Amino acid sequence: EVQLLESGGGLVQPGGSLRLPCAASGFTFSNYAMTWVRQAPGKGLKWVSVISESGDDTYYEDSVKGRFTISRDDSRNMLYLQMNTLRDEDTAVYYCAKGWQLEQWGQGTLVTVST
Amino acid sequence: DIVMTQTPLSSPVTLGQPASISCRSSQSLVHSDGNTYLSWFQQRPGQSPRLLIYEISNRFPGVPDRFSGSGAGTDFTLKISRVEAEDVGVYYCMQGTQFPRTFGQGTKVEIK
Repeated sequence: EVQLLESGGGLVQPGGSLRLPCAASGFTFSNYAMTWVRQAPGKGLKWVSVISESGDDTYYEDSVKGRFTISRDDSRNMLYLQMNTLRDEDTAVYYCAKGWQLEQWGQGTLVTVST
Repeated sequence: DIVMTQTPLSSPVTLGQPASISCRSSQSLVHSDGNTYLSWFQQRPGQSPRLLIYEISNRFPGVPDRFSGSGAGTDFTLKISRVEAEDVGVYYCMQGTQFPRTFGQGTKVEIK
């Protein structure tokens, strides 16, 4: 059974940093691209970033380019999202999802950016 | 960026009756590889999203056959043949043809 477990969320001040890990199990992690999607409270889904199977290719939504970095550790079946220079508008539940097609999703982790 | 527009934004439906959601993209979703990467997701209240349909009309394993997708180019539709209570939630289309990926605003399906 595919499982994706995000963690690392919490309250952070504007300008601060946070790293979100996503632990994957139940599939051959290295064979799949991995994606981050976020959802602000009461709002819709917004795609954030994707990393290819090899890790060689990464793509970002414009508002996070230069501030967020996606990475993966295939030896540990882990996906990461390093978030720097956080803004109020980054407040959201962050989901990791499997594959280019977002075949399965984790339960999400809430990031709150506030003073 | 490709803009995805869903209609309606809210759809009250009687149990057992059909429901239909439209999704229109601001440009063609036909990829250079010939495929069209249009997906549909369901988000039940309090839950994570779940993939229902990929590449316009392919049901993801485990998705009931009352869900179907159709369309081409810039116009796409998700249909639920007979709405059940467990279908209540918000439905999103998403284009996977171009970066950044973009979602529609979401359509809330509720029971009348």
